Order: sequence, then C-alpha cells, then structure tokens
Amino acid sequence: DTGVSQNPRHKITKRGQNVTFRCDPISEHNRLYWYRQTLGQGPEFLTYFQNEAQLEKSRLLSDRFSAERPKGSFSTLEIQRTEQGDSAMYLCASSLLYEQYFGPGTRLTVT
Amino acid sequence: AQTVTQSQPEMSVQEAETVTLSCTYDTSESDYYLFWYKQPPSRQMILVIRQEAYKQQNATENRFSVNFQKAAKSFSLKISDSQLGDAAMYFCAYRGRQNNNDMRFGAGTRLTVKP
Repeated sequence: DTGVSQNPRHKITKRGQNVTFRCDPISEHNRLYWYRQTLGQGPEFLTYFQNEAQLEKSRLLSDRFSAERPKGSFSTLEIQRTEQGDSAMYLCASSLLYEQYFGPGTRLTVT
Repeated sequence: AQTVTQSQPEMSVQEAETVTLSCTYDTSESDYYLFWYKQPPSRQMILVIRQEAYKQQNATENRFSVNFQKAAKSFSLKISDSQLGDAAMYFCAYRGRQNNNDMRFGAGTRLTVKP
C-alpha cells in the first residue's frame, strides 16, 4: 500500500492524558499536513511541513498541540492534557505538487 | 480570508440519474486551485476532480465533471449516471496557488443514492 497511513485508527483517552498520533506520508511527497475534522464539518487546517520544517501553524493549534516531522519522513502529532473538545478526527495528508492525498484519519475520543 | 460555502447539506439522487452539487468560494486571489473530495462513510477522503483557475476548460473525470464559473466564484460538481458507490460526503476545497499550506474546505454535502 503506497497511500498515506495513520496510526492508531482509533484512540480513546481520559481527559488530561497525553496522546500521540503518527502519519506516514506517500514516500516521495515532501509536504505533509495535519487537519482536524469534527462531525458534520469539513477538515480544518492545523499545521504544515515541507520536508522537516514546520512552516505554518493554525491558530487552532494551541500550546497543548505539537507536531514534528523528523528527517522529513513520518510525522507525529501530540496533544498534551487532552480536553473533551479535542475529540475529533485527525487527518493527515501529503502532497508533492498541489493535490493533497489523505490518510484514513485517527479518531480521538476524550472521555 | 478565503471561504468555501456548500449550501446543500444533503442531496439525493436516483441511481443512474444525474446530480449537481453546488460550491461557491470567496477569494481575492487570481490564481488558485479548486477540488472536490469524496469521503465515504468511515473511509478516507479521496480526490475526485481538480480545476486550475487559469484554465477555462471545465475539468472532467469519467462520470464526474465540473462547471467552473470564475467570475461568479462558483464551482459545481456534476455526477452523471449515479451509482450506489457514489454515496458519500462531498467536500469542495480551495487552495491558493502561492499558498502551499492552507486548503480551505466547505462544510460538505451528504449525497444519498437511491436504488
């Protein structure tokens, strides 16, 4: 499978816990994006990497959120001290040019 | 800021018929890309079709075609010969040509296909 992969697919956590998600982009893609999608809405941009450099962060990305892309390959998104409002689908996408290819997402439920 | 509006929360179509999903957007940029993405239930988002704003010709991909009206900032998706597998959420998306990081999505249209 040469598509974008994300792990885990589902995560249930208690409020206050930290969680980390992983995204493996399509291998030749140098751009990687994180989005958050809540029920009934379109994805909202969170952050963007070109190779290993994080070039843009949305105001949606509070201080509790951090993302990394070491060596310009896979990326991780960590949420510290989770809140119930963090419950959402977290989508990763990668691109080489202008088309973005999405992974299956990680559904986070904060109880 | 760029915004994307999908005014139809839900649409339905009879199998083998044609349906059109609407999308409008607001931008001050002259060069940009527009996309339609499909998100089946519990499955990942896939690209259906894209349109470059500098191209006057409407994009077509098999049964999917767009009606791109740049002056009106309208970008509708037409699905011909609808199939049961077309049932999904459809999202319209905008990305400026110079801006590589921020793709804006509409709220989506849920398409139901009736057998």
